[in-house]
Amino acid sequence: QQQVKQSPQSLIVQKGGISIINCAYENTAFDYFPWYQQFPGKGPALLIAIRPDVSEKKEGRFTISFNKSAKQFSLHIMDSQPGDSATYFCAADISGNTGKLIFGQGTTLQVKP
Amino acid sequence: GAGVSQTPSNKVTEKGKYVELRCDPISGHTALYWYRQSLGQGPEFLIYFQGTGAADDSGLPNDRFFAVRPEGSVSTLKIQRTERGDSAVYLCASSPRRGLVYNEQFFGPGTRLTVL
Repeated sequence: QQQVKQSPQSLIVQKGGISIINCAYENTAFDYFPWYQQFPGKGPALLIAIRPDVSEKKEGRFTISFNKSAKQFSLHIMDSQPGDSATYFCAADISGNTGKLIFGQGTTLQVKP
Repeated sequence: GAGVSQTPSNKVTEKGKYVELRCDPISGHTALYWYRQSLGQGPEFLIYFQGTGAADDSGLPNDRFFAVRPEGSVSTLKIQRTERGDSAVYLCASSPRRGLVYNEQFFGPGTRLTVL
């Protein structure tokens, strides 16, 4: 029930294309869903986050789509750039709880020039 | 401004030895978290501090792992009798305070622990 399942494990996209990463969860108590971006040798950095009271959130080229009934959420990277090449993690949290994030397994994105 | 810093960046030790990993959170952040990231995996929660106290240590794998935060700022993760399976990147994160609607956690670069 505490798991967050992420797919695909790896993704190769051409420059300018759309990158899509999907996550699914079981625990309906989760109410905060952030996406983190991690470059080699660095810690994860928050990219964008969503609460389940909205179905979509957009920040620049990054969009989260959220489907509460299906317990799924996804990250869309529009106009993907080589600089977006990194590992992406979805995560889930319960507001007001201890704040421990439950992370997905990660997706390694490579954007080819 | 300064982010979360962790020292050392790399630590190589022998099986059975004791190690300490240090985390300096962002100034003013009362919440501090430790995670462990194995190769090719997402970070796994270990322990959470609110101020000086460990509010949730449910992620510590066994009693060889212990963490302290005596003054509510710097934290040290201590691992006794290290085993090869402890090899991983240990990440520290801090957050402004508990209970925020958006629990943005700011991560340090991690300490890569290798147990030979």
